[in-house]
Amino acid sequence: NAGVTQTPKFRILKIGQSMTLQCAQDMNHNYMYWYRQDPGMGLKLIYYSVGAGITDKGEVPNGYNVSRSTTEDFPLRLELAAPSQTSVYFCASSYSKGHGVAYGYTFGSGTRLTVV
Amino acid sequence: DQQVKQNSPSLSVQEGRISILNCDYTNSMFDYFLWYKKYPAEGPTFLISISSIKDKNEDGRFTVFLNKSAKHLSLHIVPSQPGDSAVYFCAASPLRDMNRDDKIIFGKGTRLHILP
Repeated sequence: NAGVTQTPKFRILKIGQSMTLQCAQDMNHNYMYWYRQDPGMGLKLIYYSVGAGITDKGEVPNGYNVSRSTTEDFPLRLELAAPSQTSVYFCASSYSKGHGVAYGYTFGSGTRLTVV
Repeated sequence: DQQVKQNSPSLSVQEGRISILNCDYTNSMFDYFLWYKKYPAEGPTFLISISSIKDKNEDGRFTVFLNKSAKHLSLHIVPSQPGDSAVYFCAASPLRDMNRDDKIIFGKGTRLHILP
Protein backbone atom coordinates (compact mmCIF):
# COMPACT_ATOMS: atom_id res chain seq x y z
CA ASN A 1 0.00 0.00 0.00
CA ALA A 2 1.22 3.48 -0.86
CA GLY A 3 -0.54 5.09 2.12
CA VAL A 4 -0.31 8.89 1.90
CA THR A 5 1.73 10.26 -0.99
CA GLN A 6 2.93 13.86 -1.10
CA THR A 7 4.51 15.62 -4.03
CA PRO A 8 6.86 17.36 -4.50
CA LYS A 9 9.33 16.47 -1.74
CA PHE A 10 11.21 19.75 -2.05
CA ARG A 11 10.44 23.10 -3.63
CA ILE A 12 11.93 26.58 -3.66
CA LEU A 13 9.51 29.39 -4.46
CA LYS A 14 10.09 33.07 -5.02
CA ILE A 15 8.01 35.56 -3.05
CA GLY A 16 4.66 36.06 -4.74
CA GLN A 17 4.70 32.81 -6.70
CA SER A 18 1.96 30.22 -6.40
CA MET A 19 2.04 26.47 -6.11
CA THR A 20 -0.03 23.46 -5.20
CA LEU A 21 1.15 20.78 -2.83
CA GLN A 22 -0.34 17.46 -3.80
CA CYS A 23 -1.61 14.83 -1.38
CA ALA A 24 -3.21 11.51 -2.25
CA GLN A 25 -4.22 8.55 -0.12
CA ASP A 26 -5.32 5.09 -1.22
CA MET A 27 -6.79 3.84 2.07
CA ASN A 28 -10.33 5.15 1.49
CA HIS A 29 -9.95 7.43 4.50
CA ASN A 30 -12.66 10.03 4.99
CA TYR A 31 -10.62 12.51 7.03
CA MET A 32 -7.63 14.34 5.60
CA TYR A 33 -5.44 17.03 7.13
CA TRP A 34 -2.71 19.48 6.24
CA TYR A 35 -0.15 20.38 8.89
CA ARG A 36 2.93 22.56 8.83
CA GLN A 37 5.96 22.11 11.02
CA ASP A 38 8.30 25.02 11.63
CA PRO A 39 11.79 24.38 13.09
CA GLY A 40 11.63 23.48 16.79
CA MET A 41 7.85 23.60 16.77
CA GLY A 42 5.06 21.10 16.82
CA LEU A 43 2.71 20.45 13.96
CA LYS A 44 0.05 23.09 13.39
CA LEU A 45 -3.16 22.31 11.54
CA ILE A 46 -3.77 24.39 8.39
CA TYR A 47 -6.93 22.85 6.94
CA TYR A 48 -8.81 19.62 7.22
CA SER A 49 -11.56 17.75 5.43
CA VAL A 50 -14.09 15.24 6.75
CA GLY A 51 -15.10 14.02 3.32
CA ALA A 52 -15.29 14.91 -0.35
CA GLY A 53 -16.66 18.41 -0.83
CA ILE A 54 -16.22 19.39 2.84
CA THR A 55 -13.28 21.42 4.10
CA ASP A 56 -12.68 23.58 7.15
CA LYS A 57 -10.01 25.83 8.59
CA GLY A 58 -7.54 24.74 11.17
CA GLU A 59 -5.32 26.81 13.42
CA VAL A 60 -3.21 28.58 10.76
CA PRO A 61 -5.22 28.80 7.48
CA ASN A 62 -4.18 32.28 6.30
CA GLY A 63 -2.40 32.25 2.95
CA TYR A 64 -3.65 28.79 1.99
CA ASN A 65 -6.60 27.22 0.22
CA VAL A 66 -7.74 23.64 -0.16
CA SER A 67 -10.24 21.60 -2.10
CA ARG A 68 -11.51 18.04 -1.75
CA SER A 69 -13.22 16.93 -4.94
CA THR A 70 -12.50 13.22 -4.38
CA THR A 71 -11.96 11.02 -1.35
CA GLU A 72 -8.38 10.32 -2.45
CA ASP A 73 -6.98 13.80 -3.10
CA PHE A 74 -6.54 16.85 -0.88
CA PRO A 75 -4.34 19.49 -2.55
CA LEU A 76 -3.08 22.55 -0.67
CA ARG A 77 -2.75 25.79 -2.64
CA LEU A 78 -0.42 28.69 -1.83
CA GLU A 79 -1.50 31.70 -3.86
CA LEU A 80 1.09 34.38 -3.01
CA ALA A 81 4.07 32.76 -1.36
CA ALA A 82 5.66 34.61 1.55
CA PRO A 83 8.85 33.85 3.52
CA SER A 84 6.67 33.06 6.56
CA GLN A 85 5.38 30.04 4.64
CA THR A 86 8.82 28.44 4.62
CA SER A 87 8.13 25.19 6.44
CA VAL A 88 7.72 21.45 6.12
CA TYR A 89 4.20 20.51 5.13
CA PHE A 90 2.64 17.20 6.10
CA CYS A 91 -0.55 15.69 4.80
CA ALA A 92 -2.31 13.08 6.92
CA SER A 93 -5.43 10.96 6.81
CA SER A 94 -7.62 8.83 9.05
CA TYR A 95 -10.72 6.68 8.58
CA SER A 96 -12.72 8.71 11.09
CA LYS A 97 -12.11 11.11 13.95
CA GLY A 98 -12.45 8.35 16.52
CA HIS A 99 -10.19 6.02 14.58
CA GLY A 100 -7.67 8.80 14.14
CA VAL A 101 -7.30 9.57 17.82
CA ALA A 102 -7.28 5.93 18.89
CA TYR A 103 -4.96 4.57 16.21
CA GLY A 104 -3.25 7.69 14.91
CA TYR A 105 -3.23 9.46 11.61
CA THR A 106 -1.26 8.16 8.64
CA PHE A 107 1.17 10.84 7.55
CA GLY A 108 2.90 11.45 4.26
CA SER A 109 6.65 12.01 4.14
CA GLY A 110 6.32 15.77 3.79
CA THR A 111 7.12 18.62 1.40
CA ARG A 112 9.95 20.94 2.36
CA LEU A 113 9.12 24.39 1.03
CA THR A 114 11.46 27.37 1.01
CA VAL A 115 10.23 30.82 -0.01
CA VAL A 116 12.98 33.27 -0.96
CA ASP B 1 -1.05 29.27 24.26
CA GLN B 2 0.45 25.81 24.33
CA GLN B 3 -2.08 23.21 25.32
CA VAL B 4 0.40 20.35 24.98
CA LYS B 5 3.87 20.95 26.37
CA GLN B 6 7.03 18.95 26.00
CA ASN B 7 9.52 20.86 28.10
CA SER B 8 12.61 18.84 27.22
CA PRO B 9 13.82 19.60 23.68
CA SER B 10 16.26 16.70 23.83
CA LEU B 11 17.19 13.66 25.87
CA SER B 12 20.20 11.31 25.73
CA VAL B 13 19.96 7.76 27.07
CA GLN B 14 22.37 4.87 27.08
CA GLU B 15 21.43 1.89 24.94
CA GLY B 16 19.66 -0.75 27.02
CA ARG B 17 18.49 1.71 29.67
CA ILE B 18 15.02 3.20 30.11
CA SER B 19 14.01 6.31 28.16
CA ILE B 20 11.33 8.47 29.77
CA LEU B 21 9.73 11.22 27.73
CA ASN B 22 7.40 13.63 29.47
CA CYS B 23 4.40 15.67 28.37
CA ASP B 24 2.10 18.08 30.18
CA TYR B 25 -1.26 19.39 29.05
CA THR B 26 -3.58 22.17 30.15
CA ASN B 27 -6.96 21.31 28.63
CA SER B 28 -9.10 19.07 30.85
CA MET B 29 -11.32 18.34 27.82
CA PHE B 30 -8.61 16.17 26.26
CA ASP B 31 -9.63 12.57 26.42
CA TYR B 32 -7.21 10.84 24.09
CA PHE B 33 -3.45 11.13 24.16
CA LEU B 34 -1.03 9.90 21.55
CA TRP B 35 2.68 9.56 20.95
CA TYR B 36 4.20 9.82 17.50
CA LYS B 37 7.75 9.07 16.43
CA LYS B 38 9.48 10.96 13.64
CA TYR B 39 12.69 10.18 11.78
CA PRO B 40 14.41 12.89 9.67
CA ALA B 41 12.90 13.40 6.22
CA GLU B 42 9.91 11.22 7.09
CA GLY B 43 6.42 11.90 8.34
CA PRO B 44 5.42 11.16 11.93
CA THR B 45 4.33 7.61 12.63
CA PHE B 46 1.86 6.64 15.30
CA LEU B 47 3.40 4.84 18.26
CA ILE B 48 0.86 4.39 21.05
CA SER B 49 -2.25 6.05 22.47
CA ILE B 50 -4.16 6.09 25.73
CA SER B 51 -7.71 6.97 26.59
CA SER B 52 -8.40 9.20 29.59
CA ILE B 53 -10.29 6.37 31.26
CA LYS B 54 -7.03 4.48 31.62
CA ASP B 55 -3.81 5.26 33.45
CA LYS B 56 -1.51 2.91 31.57
CA ASN B 57 -1.21 1.37 28.14
CA GLU B 58 1.53 -1.00 27.05
CA ASP B 59 2.72 -2.13 23.64
CA GLY B 60 5.90 -4.15 23.64
CA ARG B 61 8.78 -1.97 24.78
CA PHE B 62 6.57 1.12 24.90
CA THR B 63 4.37 2.09 27.84
CA VAL B 64 2.40 5.29 28.26
CA PHE B 65 1.35 6.46 31.72
CA LEU B 66 -1.38 9.03 32.28
CA ASN B 67 -1.80 11.07 35.48
CA LYS B 68 -5.01 13.03 34.99
CA SER B 69 -4.85 14.90 38.28
CA ALA B 70 -1.42 16.25 37.35
CA LYS B 71 -2.34 16.62 33.65
CA HIS B 72 0.82 14.72 32.83
CA LEU B 73 1.72 11.77 30.67
CA SER B 74 4.95 9.98 30.01
CA LEU B 75 6.29 7.49 27.49
CA HIS B 76 8.65 4.80 28.74
CA ILE B 77 10.85 2.86 26.34
CA VAL B 78 12.49 -0.22 27.82
CA PRO B 79 15.07 -1.24 26.81
CA SER B 80 16.17 1.64 24.60
CA GLN B 81 17.62 0.67 21.23
CA PRO B 82 19.60 2.63 18.63
CA GLY B 83 16.59 2.67 16.29
CA ASP B 84 14.66 4.59 18.94
CA SER B 85 16.72 7.71 18.18
CA ALA B 86 14.09 10.06 16.74
CA VAL B 87 11.86 13.00 17.62
CA TYR B 88 8.87 12.04 19.75
CA PHE B 89 5.71 14.12 19.65
CA CYS B 90 3.08 14.06 22.35
CA ALA B 91 -0.42 14.84 21.10
CA ALA B 92 -3.92 15.15 22.53
CA SER B 93 -7.49 15.30 21.30
CA PRO B 94 -10.90 16.24 22.78
CA LEU B 95 -12.68 13.33 21.13
CA ARG B 96 -15.82 13.55 23.23
CA ASP B 97 -16.57 17.05 21.94
CA MET B 98 -17.99 15.73 18.69
CA ASN B 99 -19.02 19.20 17.50
CA ARG B 100 -15.40 20.04 17.12
CA ASP B 101 -13.94 18.19 14.20
CA ASP B 102 -10.46 18.99 15.27
CA LYS B 103 -7.99 17.76 15.67
CA ILE B 104 -5.05 16.37 17.29
CA ILE B 105 -2.95 19.03 19.01
CA PHE B 106 0.77 18.36 19.00
CA GLY B 107 3.57 19.31 21.36
CA LYS B 108 6.89 20.65 20.06
CA GLY B 109 8.62 17.30 20.31
CA THR B 110 11.57 15.82 22.21
CA ARG B 111 14.64 14.59 20.34
CA LEU B 112 15.80 11.29 21.81
CA HIS B 113 19.41 10.19 21.30
CA ILE B 114 20.28 6.62 22.17
CA LEU B 115 23.98 6.41 22.98
CA PRO B 116 25.97 3.23 22.22
